[in-house]
Amino acid sequence: DGGITQSPKYLFRKEGQNVTLSCEQNLNHDAMYWYRQDPGQGLRLIYYSQIVNDFQKGDIAEGYSVSREKKESFPLTVTSAQKNPTAFYLCASIEGTGWNTEAFFGQGTRLTVV
Amino acid sequence: RKEVEQDPGPFNVPEGATVAFNCTYSNSASQSFFWYRQDCRKEPKLLMSVYSSGNEDGRFTAQLNRASQYISLLIRDSKLSDSATYLCVVTSGTYKYIFGTGTRLKVLA
Repeated sequence: DGGITQSPKYLFRKEGQNVTLSCEQNLNHDAMYWYRQDPGQGLRLIYYSQIVNDFQKGDIAEGYSVSREKKESFPLTVTSAQKNPTAFYLCASIEGTGWNTEAFFGQGTRLTVV
Repeated sequence: RKEVEQDPGPFNVPEGATVAFNCTYSNSASQSFFWYRQDCRKEPKLLMSVYSSGNEDGRFTAQLNRASQYISLLIRDSKLSDSATYLCVVTSGTYKYIFGTGTRLKVLA
């Protein structure tokens, strides 16, 4: 079945550690996105990538890094520079040009700093 | 000013009621518009696209007003199962897919 897979579903991190969230899609979509959602809030854009080996910062990129070495994969690293990383992280992909097309989401990763 | 703004609600309405949500956007060059539905602790899913001429899907009607830069969602004959958070989405620039903060709807029996 085609879709987007995020792993892990739950992740606990100690303060000062970097962690990497996985996002894999087999939909052959060009564009991929990472969003952060805090309780009672909407989705805020962290990074997005239109094509392999290219990505752009979203509205809240500080403390995060990404790579896009393969079309199917868009991992997100939450670095120790991110001061408040506890949140729900959602990965999405969009086919083609991105205009007037649906975004498909993974089931999300809940990151908690302990 | 945020690029996309919504009233966070919550909107508490009785079953059978009609409810409307608005969403304003700041970039007049925005090209595509959508409404997504998000259930508690789940990922968002597409409810409907919003076309320039307005569009309807069963009990749901979406409208776009480019002059005033807002989109709306009307839900008629609300069901208990409509309880969720409704997120508007605006595309801005190249591939930038921006979500609003979401409006919570609770339909009461």
